[in-house]
Amino acid sequence: EAGVVQSPRYKIIEKKQPVAFWCNPISGHNTLYWYLQNLGQGPELLIRYENEEAVDDSQLPKDRFSAERLKGVDSTLKIQPAELGDSAVYLCASSTSTGRGQETQYFGPGTRLLVL
Amino acid sequence: AQKITQTQPGMFVQEKEAVTLDCTYDTSDQSYGLFWYKQPSSGEMIFLIYQGSYDEQNATEGRYSLNFQKARKSANLVISASQLGDSAMYFCALHGGATNKLIFGTGTLLAVQP
Repeated sequence: EAGVVQSPRYKIIEKKQPVAFWCNPISGHNTLYWYLQNLGQGPELLIRYENEEAVDDSQLPKDRFSAERLKGVDSTLKIQPAELGDSAVYLCASSTSTGRGQETQYFGPGTRLLVL
Repeated sequence: AQKITQTQPGMFVQEKEAVTLDCTYDTSDQSYGLFWYKQPSSGEMIFLIYQGSYDEQNATEGRYSLNFQKARKSANLVISASQLGDSAMYFCALHGGATNKLIFGTGTLLAVQP
């Protein structure tokens, strides 16, 4: 079974430029997560989707970050414009949604973003 | 508020020996889950083991076991017979039922020496 797929793996951009990350979750997983991981820290949740609906985006900086999951499968996370402080690893994860909570989240390899 | 604490920034262990990675947590939820993930230099977070707050037995998965002490709010990961490929960052994470969020600790860097 294929795992969570993310692209690109690495991205270098200049500040004020836009950037987008793509994620394809594990087949059959209707819950999708985007995390931000700064150097030396654990991941922090940016947004969680249940199917097409963003059910928790409280940590997403909405002035410059946006995300979508139009057909309830793939998802795109965008930053516009990027700032130096956005340099980090962006991780996508997915899980089943049985309603009991505490489902195991499976992560992709992440996108390492460097903003110059 | 929920919190995960990993007090060991780094650990060394000799190959074939056992090692314990510490994790303490704080939550007001009655139902919660504890997870351990491994993150090698390639960056992917690899799920290792899960312990539910109502599970009476400590979780085990191959060479990984979780020493769950509910009263002390600790969920230490034990890796038996360490291998060179175990060298990585290890993250403990808490999922609380009320917040429905996975909160990660700051991680422990494990180096396995031959």
